[in-house]
Amino acid sequence: QKEVEQNSGPLSVPEGAIASLNCTYSDRGSQSFFWYRQYSGKSPELIMFIYSNGDKEDGRFTAQLNKASQYVSLLIRDSQPSDSATYLCAVLDNAGNMLTFGGGTRLMVKP
Amino acid sequence: SAVISQKPSRDICQRGTSLTIQCQVDSQVTMMFWYRQQPGQSLTLIATANQGSEATYESGFVIDKFPISRPNLTFSTLTVSNMSPEDSSIYLCSVEGQGKAETQYFGPGTRLLVL
Repeated sequence: QKEVEQNSGPLSVPEGAIASLNCTYSDRGSQSFFWYRQYSGKSPELIMFIYSNGDKEDGRFTAQLNKASQYVSLLIRDSQPSDSATYLCAVLDNAGNMLTFGGGTRLMVKP
Repeated sequence: SAVISQKPSRDICQRGTSLTIQCQVDSQVTMMFWYRQQPGQSLTLIATANQGSEATYESGFVIDKFPISRPNLTFSTLTVSNMSPEDSSIYLCSVEGQGKAETQYFGPGTRLLVL
């Protein structure tokens, strides 16, 4: 059973702070990793993907991948109240066929 | 990314009935996926639908309960059959992205309540 684990939260940070969201996965052969943002009542929206060890930056978002430790994280700099949402970590299996989602972390950014 | 639409956006149904959900994409895609998101939960893959072949169902999901059609490269349907209140969920279709990332993009979802 391939598993993707996230702390359900809520993670509460003040406006302007850095939010750090973490995800671990069980399938060591996984190659591609994704972060989705889901606002309440909406469908998931892709915000980042990463498939190489290290950091990948896109605006205020940085994805970090450590395959040896089997974790992937998402940093959100200068957090805004509009960042308040559930963040879903997703891992693509080695065959590139199936995307497994974590349970999501609810982020609350307080003004 | 592709533009994906779903119909209906929401519905309230009586137990024992069936509902067919449509997913339309504005470009041709090989793989389409159907997910279920139960209240307060994450996404669970129901099945993968490739055009011209039978859908591939994940553990816990069967064709008799969730029949899927994929008549062409831009359209798919998911039917929720003989519904019970436990089927109350958001049903999402997604399509594969282009390029190396092999990601998926989601439609807006269908919110189903079964009474």
